[in-house]
Amino acid sequence: SQKIEQNSEALNIQEGKTATLTCNYTNYSPAYLQWYRQDPGRGPVFLLLIRENEKEKRKERLKVTFDTTLKQSLFHITASQPADSATYLCALDPRGTGGGNKLTFGTGTQLKVEL
Amino acid sequence: EAQVTQNPRYLITVTGKKLTVTCSQNMNHEYMSWYRQDPGLGLRQIYYSMNVEVTDKGDVPEGYKVSRKEKRNFPLILESPSPNQTSLYFCASSFQGRDTGELFFGEGSRLTVL
Repeated sequence: SQKIEQNSEALNIQEGKTATLTCNYTNYSPAYLQWYRQDPGRGPVFLLLIRENEKEKRKERLKVTFDTTLKQSLFHITASQPADSATYLCALDPRGTGGGNKLTFGTGTQLKVEL
Repeated sequence: EAQVTQNPRYLITVTGKKLTVTCSQNMNHEYMSWYRQDPGLGLRQIYYSMNVEVTDKGDVPEGYKVSRKEKRNFPLILESPSPNQTSLYFCASSFQGRDTGELFFGEGSRLTVL
């Protein structure tokens, strides 16, 4: 069966360090993968998209990698700040059709950045 | 301001009492979708709509209905709510056919069914 796995345990790191979150998937062949941020009681907010033919994507302090051989995406936040504390979700569009239909989400990893 | 608006944000109801959660977007998006979010299960898609009068089931459609009579609105209807529908619900929208499929989410509707 198709599965998206994110570490369910919270990740605690110190301010200024790099946070690395993992998204693994099985039995998918996604055309692209997205990352969202979700704050408690709020709706997810889109951060980044990376396509299957892209190895790496950057946006300010964020970096995403995508390894279709390992079936894994890594999400990095450099120079982390307490304001980065949130739950981060990865999502796949397995049919590659775009437009958001059938976008499947992982359960998310909670990140806590401590002073 | 571009946004997806859901109402009500919080609702406590009783088993069997029909309710509707409204969703409206002002971005002229073709695609709209409803998700429910439960601890340990993540976001699961209930129904989606590719355009006006076009709707389809997601992964957990049982007990829900939707309609898409206008492009901007996509209400979620619970005809006879049950306690297992207690959850946090999100409406989302995006452009159809674009490369990214970036979803814009509403702020959520927390529903409790007693």
